[in-house]
Amino acid sequence: RKEVEQDPGPFNVPEGATVAFNCTYSNSASQSFFWYRQDCRKEPKLLMSVYSSGNEDGRFTAQLNRASQYISLLIRDSKLSDSATYLCVVNPDYNFNKFYFGSGTKLNVKP
Amino acid sequence: DTAVSQTPKYLVTQMGNDKSIKCEQNLGHDTMYWYKQDSKKFLKIMFSYNNKELIINETVPNRFSPKSPDKAHLNLHINSLELGDSAVYFCASSHDRVTGELFFGEGSRLTVL
Repeated sequence: RKEVEQDPGPFNVPEGATVAFNCTYSNSASQSFFWYRQDCRKEPKLLMSVYSSGNEDGRFTAQLNRASQYISLLIRDSKLSDSATYLCVVNPDYNFNKFYFGSGTKLNVKP
Repeated sequence: DTAVSQTPKYLVTQMGNDKSIKCEQNLGHDTMYWYKQDSKKFLKIMFSYNNKELIINETVPNRFSPKSPDKAHLNLHINSLELGDSAVYFCASSHDRVTGELFFGEGSRLTVL
């Protein structure tokens, strides 16, 4: 079983739509959680950390459900520039950044 | 001024050859990493160094040998290249070994023929 699983998509949505991605992780002892964004043929970049209480950054909201071992990302009012692959990242290790990346969910925002 | 830089960006080589990829970060970070992204887009950690000390060594063939001459540099040498080594190799750094944000280089795309 993979450490982190995501729906690969693609999610094709019109501008202005709200879209949500989920990701599940296998290690219940996982300590920290993140969403990274990767544009085509580029390096991944941190989008946001995910906290137990849920957190929001502008149009982006991240939620963590430890009991069900899933993480979600909600994007409101989608922009063309949001088109990218969104990577769910889990760190099961308390002492090291031993990140496990999901394979990503591709988002295409259309005009 | 690039924060994490890798060279070369592209590498095409024959099976059996030996090649190296170099990485440098100018962020003053203590921890550096090598990740491999295969054709299915999975990013997998290979190695991590903290202040020149190896702290993470995943199950990687011993044909892969990292070397960190100082905390700003982390190189990856690969011996006897195989077809399955074709991938994008990303170098990354973080402030320390537990701070969550990784800063990635642009990647080195290796193609083994």
